Amino acid sequence: EAQVTQNPRYLITVTGKKLTVTCSQNMNHEYMSWYRQDPGLGLRQIYYSMNVEVTDKGDVPEGYKVSRKEKRNFPLILESPSPNQTSLYFCASSLSSGVAYEQYFGPGTRLTVT
Amino acid sequence: AQSVAQPEDQVNVAEGNPLTVKCTYSVSGNPYLFWYVQYPNRGLQFLLKYITGDNLVKGSYGFEAEFNKSQTSFHLKKPSALVSDSALYFCAVRDPSTNDYKLSFGAGTTVTVRA
Repeated sequence: EAQVTQNPRYLITVTGKKLTVTCSQNMNHEYMSWYRQDPGLGLRQIYYSMNVEVTDKGDVPEGYKVSRKEKRNFPLILESPSPNQTSLYFCASSLSSGVAYEQYFGPGTRLTVT
Repeated sequence: AQSVAQPEDQVNVAEGNPLTVKCTYSVSGNPYLFWYVQYPNRGLQFLLKYITGDNLVKGSYGFEAEFNKSQTSFHLKKPSALVSDSALYFCAVRDPSTNDYKLSFGAGTTVTVRA
């Protein structure tokens, strides 16, 4: 089954404790992206990747890191989480970096930082 | 800079009535436009997109959207709403004339269809 998977689905952590949210897709997609969803703000793009070893900032990259060492994986790293990073996070992928292709979304990771 | 606005936080309709969810956009060039739907506790699902060509685009689950360049709008429509259409709907835009690959989403519109 074609899918985007994220782990963990739920995470509660404390301020300053480094964490990684994994994202993997099995569709051989070139383009992958991370979003955060906050009430009243919709989805905001954090980082995206056009292909292996090619990443760029979205609209809200502060406090986040990403890497794309393999085509299928695109982990999101919070080096020192803060309470304002409490949010619902989505990973997505699409066939190519042209972004005329629709994106496939993972199920989401709900992060709480206390 | 590209942006998209969904002027209504909520839309309430009765089952069987027409459903419209509004979206307006701002880009410097010709836009790529998308609609996604999010059901409770789920990720987003693609509904339809406009890239070029016919201004009326048909998508999944009986939805359609009309691209109007003069009004910079891309409203989502369904002729006869179902209770199962109750969900959160997002409009998104990409400006292909830029050198980045960002996708901008609206704040979302919650649709409630009452039986």
